[in-house]
Amino acid sequence: AQSVTQLDSQVPVFEEAPVELRCNYSSSVSVYLFWYVQYPNQGLQLLLKYLSGSTLVKGINGFEAEFNKSQTSFHLRKPSVHISDTAEYFCAVWGSGGSNYKLTFGKGTLLTVNP
Amino acid sequence: NAGVTQTPKFQVLKTGQSMTLQCAQDMNHEYMSWYRQDPGMGLRLIHYSVGAGITDQGEVPNGYNVSRSTTEDFPLRLLSAAPSQTSVYFCASSDRQETQYFGPGTRLLVL
Repeated sequence: AQSVTQLDSQVPVFEEAPVELRCNYSSSVSVYLFWYVQYPNQGLQLLLKYLSGSTLVKGINGFEAEFNKSQTSFHLRKPSVHISDTAEYFCAVWGSGGSNYKLTFGKGTLLTVNP
Repeated sequence: NAGVTQTPKFQVLKTGQSMTLQCAQDMNHEYMSWYRQDPGMGLRLIHYSVGAGITDQGEVPNGYNVSRSTTEDFPLRLLSAAPSQTSVYFCASSDRQETQYFGPGTRLLVL
């Protein structure tokens, strides 16, 4: 079984401030990790993913995330946010190998960027 | 390339009615899935398919049926709608097991 915990349900920040959205996971197998973004009344868009290789992953819109296997974390960061980054962000884990075809999502973090 | 399309965008049902949510993709993806999104719950997997003719249950399958007769289509059927099925439903597809592309969603209200 696998699970994802997003440690903050809401994160308010001011424009141009840095932000970190925290994600921890548990899994009995090797994992692939994802961050998706959902703008109001829209579907989910892939922000970035970790499959293998470098633990620092860069995504769209200036976001990056770091895979930390020992701490089972995959925190999302951006050095300077914009109003347009206001959205809900979902961390997700996919257990690689075997017959595990399930993508498990966290409950989401609502990022609100204030002027 | 339309990607993943879902119809209808909105639907209101009465308790006990049945309906089918349509999902289609034009990317020749083998893997398709259905999720429901509820406030504070994230996305939960209802059913998924790894290819035409093959389906399996996800985390919350009760009250829903699926079939996969073609690669392109993956309809989700509500057999007898209940207020607890009020939600936003997302269909997704993937050419690999891990990177999924989502449709725009269907908002369902069951009265």
